Amino acid sequence: EADIYQTPRYLVIGTGKKITLECSQTMGHDKMYWYQQDPGMELHLIHYSYGVNSTEKGDLSSESTVSRIRTEHFPLTLESARPSHTSQYLCASSDLTGTEAFFGQGTRLTVV
Amino acid sequence: GDSVTQMEGPVTLSEEAFLTINCTYTATGYPSLFWYVQYPGEGLQLLLKATKADDKGSNKGFEATYRKETTSFHLEKGSVQVSDSAVYFCALRRSGGSNYKLTFGKGTLLTVNP
Repeated sequence: EADIYQTPRYLVIGTGKKITLECSQTMGHDKMYWYQQDPGMELHLIHYSYGVNSTEKGDLSSESTVSRIRTEHFPLTLESARPSHTSQYLCASSDLTGTEAFFGQGTRLTVV
Repeated sequence: GDSVTQMEGPVTLSEEAFLTINCTYTATGYPSLFWYVQYPGEGLQLLLKATKADDKGSNKGFEATYRKETTSFHLEKGSVQVSDSAVYFCALRRSGGSNYKLTFGKGTLLTVNP
């Protein structure tokens, strides 16, 4: 069983609010990722990190930002939520070889 | 760039039917190939993987063989169960270097009816 946790599981929030989606893993993995999953199921990489103080933008442009101050923690922040940010956000991590990625259960965000 | 193309769904089968979900890829070199499964309301779980040509990945009755000549990694199961209802994603990771990102297909929704 993967030890990667996302909170909250579900979030409904008003437009203009600042939100942070939490992601933590206890496997000591250096590599962590954020994916946005649209209603059609497709996954888009929006951020990744290869270690502490390392963050990179992914393949899909996103207004969110991330930080990696500790190995185990990779939060995602939206400074001002908009309805277009409504989506499912999945966090993942992988070990040094990157052979297998472990995913959290996801946060389903609804901005009203 | 790298890409994965998988069979569009939804796929609806009766219990005990044979399942095939097609997956082909485009990538330079020799990527590692994966099938992930997403059950309703959950994140993705690794179902099986293959890291080199002609490798066969298998798990829970599912199988897929890495075919370099056809750049394919089709998922098969001989007899599906209702509990196999989920979304299935084919993915690749480029080999070598420092690129650890996964490239996913668009997903195939499978529904198995009793």
